Amino acid sequence: IAGITQAPTSQILAAGRRMTLRCTQDMRHNAMYWYRQDLGLGLRLIHYSNTAGTTGKGEVPDGYSVSRANTDDFPLTLASAVPSQTSVYFCASSEGPGRGGEAFFGQGTRLTVV
Amino acid sequence: SQQGEEDPQALSIQEGENATMNCSYKTSINNLQWYRQNSGRGLVHLILIRSNEREKHSGRLRVTLDTSKKSSSLLITASRAADTASYFCATDPSLYSGNTPLVFGKGTRLSVIA
Repeated sequence: IAGITQAPTSQILAAGRRMTLRCTQDMRHNAMYWYRQDLGLGLRLIHYSNTAGTTGKGEVPDGYSVSRANTDDFPLTLASAVPSQTSVYFCASSEGPGRGGEAFFGQGTRLTVV
Repeated sequence: SQQGEEDPQALSIQEGENATMNCSYKTSINNLQWYRQNSGRGLVHLILIRSNEREKHSGRLRVTLDTSKKSSSLLITASRAADTASYFCATDPSLYSGNTPLVFGKGTRLSVIA
């Protein structure tokens, strides 16, 4: 049982470079989310998608973009990385808002922008 | 901004003691959830309590919810060293705020000393 798979697990990236963090789920969940976790700040929502074909902005969307071409995949792209984007990124999925279900998390991607 | 705020930020107890963590939130919710995060790993769902419930149990976990005070508590009884982790509350406000995803607090770091 895979659940949610994130790749890569860690990455060191030069500032200004473009990078895509991958996230795939096999639970046929409608909703998917990207959070970043920084020490002392908890988890902050970057972008989300309540169903394939739709996306929404979270609390800290600037500098990030997402797409949801199908149910299973929800990639997060940093168009031009900056050091403040150094963080641990978590992808999650759930049945969807209003359905009252739990969220399932991937193991995270540790990104360092230098 | 984040909805849930956990208290205390950090807690250190002896093995066998009970651990209590609190969460306060700001707006109406469908449910409130508690998650656990081991160091360097993704979050794992522990328990969900709906807005019309006041108390819920799962093994050594006991969760209470007071919607009039907009607060919840997580009690871990007879703690073990393996309970050492960070604990997060997350609120689901989706029926009240346009299908907004889960909003997480900053977490409580629990250390259980053997």
